[in-house]
Amino acid sequence: AQTVTQSQPEMSVQEAETVTLSCTYDTSENNYYLFWYKQPPSRQMILVIRQEAYKQQNATENRFSVNFQKAAKSFSLKISDSQLGDTAMYFCAFMTSGSARQLTFGSGTQLTVLP
Amino acid sequence: DGGITQSPKYLFRKEGQNVTLSCEQNLNHDAMYWYRQDPGQGLRLIYYSQIVNDFQKGDIAEGYSVSREKKESFPLTVTSAQKNPTAFYLCASSIPTGFYNEQFFGPGTRLTVL
Repeated sequence: AQTVTQSQPEMSVQEAETVTLSCTYDTSENNYYLFWYKQPPSRQMILVIRQEAYKQQNATENRFSVNFQKAAKSFSLKISDSQLGDTAMYFCAFMTSGSARQLTFGSGTQLTVLP
Repeated sequence: DGGITQSPKYLFRKEGQNVTLSCEQNLNHDAMYWYRQDPGQGLRLIYYSQIVNDFQKGDIAEGYSVSREKKESFPLTVTSAQKNPTAFYLCASSIPTGFYNEQFFGPGTRLTVL
């Protein structure tokens, strides 16, 4: 079974600064997918960024980028130029490449962007 | 607009009663999922369905039941056997063999047992 660990329950960052959220996972599989989801106060789950394990290049989406270290089973999220709208719960998630395509979520990191 | 709808947004239930949460999607997705979210925890998978008339248990299926009679609909019934049903419930859908494997989520239903 896969497990996903987010060791930072809460974090804060000043507006316009950079913050990194940590995520580690445990799996015996070689092919899989990793995701970061954002859940703002509205509680709507929004996909932030995805990474395929077979790709060595780190994914980037505008101000969001990841540091994917496959050997270390680490998948951190960096948010640059933080904005007030980035305040949300962030979840790291793991998906197998098999037919089931189930997501396993970490416990989340509550990020607060301070003005 | 394409998307996933869940109803109701808030639901109250007395102990011992069954209650059904609705989930509808018009994204033409084959796969649908139900998750439960408790405070301080991530989402946990209750049931999922990859095709019509077929579904599988997730990690915490006890006390829940589902049906998948139509591609667009995947209702979840919380039965009286579920010992601690108060939680936030999220429905999601995806193309099971899609390259990006993204799951799209509905807005959720908050269930409170009185």
